[in-house]
Amino acid sequence: DVKVTQSSRYLVKRTGEKVFLECVQDMDHENMFWYRQDPGLGLRLIYFSYDVKMKEKGDIPEGYSVSREKKERFSLILESASTNQTSMYLCASTSSLSYEQYFGPGTRLTVT
Amino acid sequence: GENVEQHPSTLSVQEGDSAVIKCTYSDSASNYFPWYKQELGKRPQLIIDIRSNVGEKKDQRIAVTLNKTAKHFSLHITETQPEDSAVYFCAASKASGSARQLTFGSGTQLTVLP
Repeated sequence: DVKVTQSSRYLVKRTGEKVFLECVQDMDHENMFWYRQDPGLGLRLIYFSYDVKMKEKGDIPEGYSVSREKKERFSLILESASTNQTSMYLCASTSSLSYEQYFGPGTRLTVT
Repeated sequence: GENVEQHPSTLSVQEGDSAVIKCTYSDSASNYFPWYKQELGKRPQLIIDIRSNVGEKKDQRIAVTLNKTAKHFSLHITETQPEDSAVYFCAASKASGSARQLTFGSGTQLTVLP
């Protein structure tokens, strides 16, 4: 069974703080993704990575950066959190041989 | 880039009735169309998908149809049950040099009334 875990289920941060969200998968998947989920907007892709140290921008990368130092781990970084980054953040992974994305449980981030 | 529109945003049906959710996409190069179900407080999970070389796929009570000419695809759920209540997301993807990205629709909240 594929397991994708995220470091926190709930997180509260202050405006201007640096925030790290971490995602770990245990299936040796090459591809990993970060989405944010907002009501009425679906899931929007922030960044993805197809290999260690490789990253590509998604549809809404502004205000975010990512890091992938190990194959199983993909981190999302908010350099200076703002209130409009309050959202649910979902990580996903997939094998290069498959289209199916496996999601983590999500992190509900609140920036005050 | 790809744009996926999904309708309706909310749908209520009586238990036992059918439910239909529709999506349109913009990029004619898209060739993979999955549907994800997200129950309240849970993570999205793939329930069915279709590739562009087929027009319909069924799996028990759920089916997906694809019209490539019109660039739209639909999810059909028959004999709905209370456990079908969830948010459903459609998505579209095309093979690219790097990871296969999914562009998601905005979601449909399906409520099955007992």
